[in-house]
This record gives sequence, C-alpha cells and structure tokens, in this order.
Amino acid sequence: DQQVKQNSPSLSVQEGRISILNCDYTNSMFDYFLWYKKYPAEGPTFLISISSIKDKNEDGRFTVFLNKSAKHLSLHIVPSQPGDSAVYFCAATVRNLYGNKLVFGAGTILRVKS
Amino acid sequence: ETGVTQSPTHLIKTRGQQVTLRCSSQSGHNTVSWYQQALGQGPQFIFQYYREEENGRGNFPPRFSGLQFPNYSSELNVNALELDDSALYLCASSGLAGGGNEQYFGPGTRLTVT
Repeated sequence: DQQVKQNSPSLSVQEGRISILNCDYTNSMFDYFLWYKKYPAEGPTFLISISSIKDKNEDGRFTVFLNKSAKHLSLHIVPSQPGDSAVYFCAATVRNLYGNKLVFGAGTILRVKS
Repeated sequence: ETGVTQSPTHLIKTRGQQVTLRCSSQSGHNTVSWYQQALGQGPQFIFQYYREEENGRGNFPPRFSGLQFPNYSSELNVNALELDDSALYLCASSGLAGGGNEQYFGPGTRLTVT
C-alpha cells in the first residue's frame, strides 16, 4: 500500500527554468510533509518542509505547495541549476510522541541541462 | 556541528550470516531512526530509538533489531541474512522523540548479501 506516490520517475529541465516535482498521498492523517534531495553515494539531504496548517512554504529558490483537499504537494525550484540534478524524495509523517516515521515516495530523478 | 555518520560504508555478507551496522547521531539529537532503501525505491522505515528504547517500528521482521546507547549512537542488527536484505541502510537523527519534524540522514551503509 503506497501511501506516498511520486508518479514521475524522471524530469528534465533547462537551466534557469522552473522545475516542478509532484507528490500525492492517500493517508489523510499525515500532517507534515518534507522534501529531500539525494546525490549518488550520499544520504538524503533535507530541503524544505510544510505543515498541514499551511499551503505554501518558501526557502530561497525552493517553494513547497500543499493542496490538502487533493492530497497533493509539489516542489518548485526556480531558477533551476545544474547542481540541482539529483533524486528528489517526497516524505510524509504523522507527528506524535511515539515514533514519527517518515513515509517516502519512490523518488523523481531531476536532470537540469545547461 | 557534526553530522550523522555511519559505518561501515560497504559490506558484503553471505546468506544466513548476521550483520551489525553503526550510526552516530548529529550532535544535539537524541532520536535515531533506521531506514532500508532498496534499489529504485524510497527509504522504508525500520524502527526508531529514543532514550535507548524502541519508539516505533515499521513492517520488518524481528530479525531486524537495534540498540541505542547513552551517547545516542545506535546499532542496527540483522540476523539470518536473506538475499532481499541487500539494500542501502540509512540512519537518521532528529532532535525530539516522535515530534522531531526533520530527520537528518547519514551517508548510508551499502549491504550486499550473496
């Protein structure tokens, strides 16, 4: 049962343009969402997060949008840079005191062409 | 500030053997989570440790066990290794039990079972 889905295995974008990565979830109990970036031979690096009480969070070139009614979130990267080429994982969690596990999607490979 | 470290980097074991993977949490973090990432998939939650006790577990059999030490470092032990245990094992640390919203990952240990 895949509770978090990233339906696009890969995305190719020209340098300077916008990259939009999408993520859907099925569990309405999720109340916190995160995006991670992963380079080969490295662990995932935290990028940006959003609480379910918000619909947008921005940090520099990265913006995450949350649409709770559609159970959909997206990560926008503007402008895209070649160094952004990596695998991007969407993750979700139910915050509580008894084990806050992250549920990850399968990832989207982003290639930014110069 | 020291990040999350893991050892060893790579490991090759034979089916039926036992393995121990190690993790040192980021300074100031008291909660450690372990994830298994199979090829082409997102990380899957194994379990979480807080104050030396298991604090949440994913859908993994009892032959996956762990420990957390007073300095918050942690071990993942896998007994009776199976071929399907071949994966990247990731350790993540966070600041608060359960409610630690962002988890910070180490570089992982690549386990190959032959």
